[in-house]
Amino acid sequence: KQEVTQIPAALSVPEGENLVLNCSFTDSAIYNLQWFRQDPGKGLTSLLLIQSSQREQTSGRLNASLDKSSGRSTLYIAASQPGDSATYLCAVRLVGPGGTSYGKLTFGQGTILTVHP
Amino acid sequence: DTGVSQNPRHKITKRGQNVTFRCDPISEHNRLYWYRQTLGQGPEFLTYFQNEAQLEKSRLLSDRFSAERPKGSFSTLEIQRTEQGDSAMYLCASSFPFGGYTEAFFGQGTRLTVV
Repeated sequence: KQEVTQIPAALSVPEGENLVLNCSFTDSAIYNLQWFRQDPGKGLTSLLLIQSSQREQTSGRLNASLDKSSGRSTLYIAASQPGDSATYLCAVRLVGPGGTSYGKLTFGQGTILTVHP
Repeated sequence: DTGVSQNPRHKITKRGQNVTFRCDPISEHNRLYWYRQTLGQGPEFLTYFQNEAQLEKSRLLSDRFSAERPKGSFSTLEIQRTEQGDSAMYLCASSFPFGGYTEAFFGQGTRLTVV
């Protein structure tokens, strides 16, 4: 059974700091990995998706890396802003029969990020 | 708005009542997923449709839960005889596996409170 763990559970940083969120997964047979942002009481917003053959993806101030063999992904946020305050969720999609993807995502519990001015 | 749409956004119901939620996926997406999220936890998979076929159901989906996706378009999730433990955010997502690139897009969720 795939298990996804996110560390730390919560993080509070001053504005402008660079930070790293960690995600680890137990089954390395993943199809892809997706990072999401969730604001309180809201749905999930997709931030980055990394295919299993990729090492990293970048979008603006966000950079996500993937080390499939060690079962780890990191989300790097540069020059953090108060508007980045949210819960960040990591989710993996397993490889299914024939090398295709299963439909479902397995999520970690999230990292609650607070960026204070 | 061309995103995933969920209705209602909030639902308060008395224990023992039945409730039904609706999800309208992104129009060209053939895959649709339901997840449940309780406070402080990540979403947990409930069920998955490809077009109108329900291909996978989690053990979390007890016999009080039923999901449908008639004609492969919108989907409904019904909970019968609600219990307080059903209180959660119910999230719907859709995707289209274009060229092997499968990215899920989520709706805003339906917050269920059972009193």
